[in-house]
Amino acid sequence: GEDVEQSLFLSVREGDSSVINCTYTDSSSTYLYWYKQEPGAGLQLLTYIFSNMDMKQDQRLTVLLNKKDKHLSLRIADTQTGDSAIYFCAESISNTDKLIFGTGTRLQVFP
Amino acid sequence: DAGVIQSPRHEVTEMGQEVTLRCKPISGHDYLFWYRQTMMRGLELLIYFNNNVPIDDSGMPEDRFSAKMPNASFSTLKIQPSEPRDSAVYFCASSFYGGPVNTGELFFGEGSRLTVL
Repeated sequence: GEDVEQSLFLSVREGDSSVINCTYTDSSSTYLYWYKQEPGAGLQLLTYIFSNMDMKQDQRLTVLLNKKDKHLSLRIADTQTGDSAIYFCAESISNTDKLIFGTGTRLQVFP
Repeated sequence: DAGVIQSPRHEVTEMGQEVTLRCKPISGHDYLFWYRQTMMRGLELLIYFNNNVPIDDSGMPEDRFSAKMPNASFSTLKIQPSEPRDSAVYFCASSFYGGPVNTGELFFGEGSRLTVL
């Protein structure tokens, strides 16, 4: 079935790197995504990676994709208190227009 | 553009009452999605529409839930009768031609927080 799994919580010190991990099920997913949800708000796209890529870097964000293990990670360098939010991994389901989200990882950044 | 607009932002109702949640997608977007967020289950896809037509409603929990999209600028999600386990934040999201498979981006509203007592 369609299932995206993430750990629920991550706590890091300001200035450290954060790594949020995700496993997904659809090996034919064309795109994989990271969305960010700030308190009381909807989700916003943070970044995405095409399935034929292994890595994508965008300023402080690095996305790593391991297709063999169906594992996706998001690394945030120099984590700031403003990065505190819930981060959702999502996969596109092949042959549909569905986007399936994980449970979300709540990132807490402390001084 | 104003973004995806949802109403009401908060709704508190009693068990057995009918609840109607509303959504106005971004103009020009041809896909509309309804998701439900709870602590236990995360973000679940309930139903989605393409060009106002329901494509997949396999995520709708049961017959008490129904969704309509009478035109390109409006959709409703109705729960009748409501139960305490329906308490959640309901999100509407829209995207444009090709849907998320091609563009990779859903635009979310701010959500409707439903509490059923």
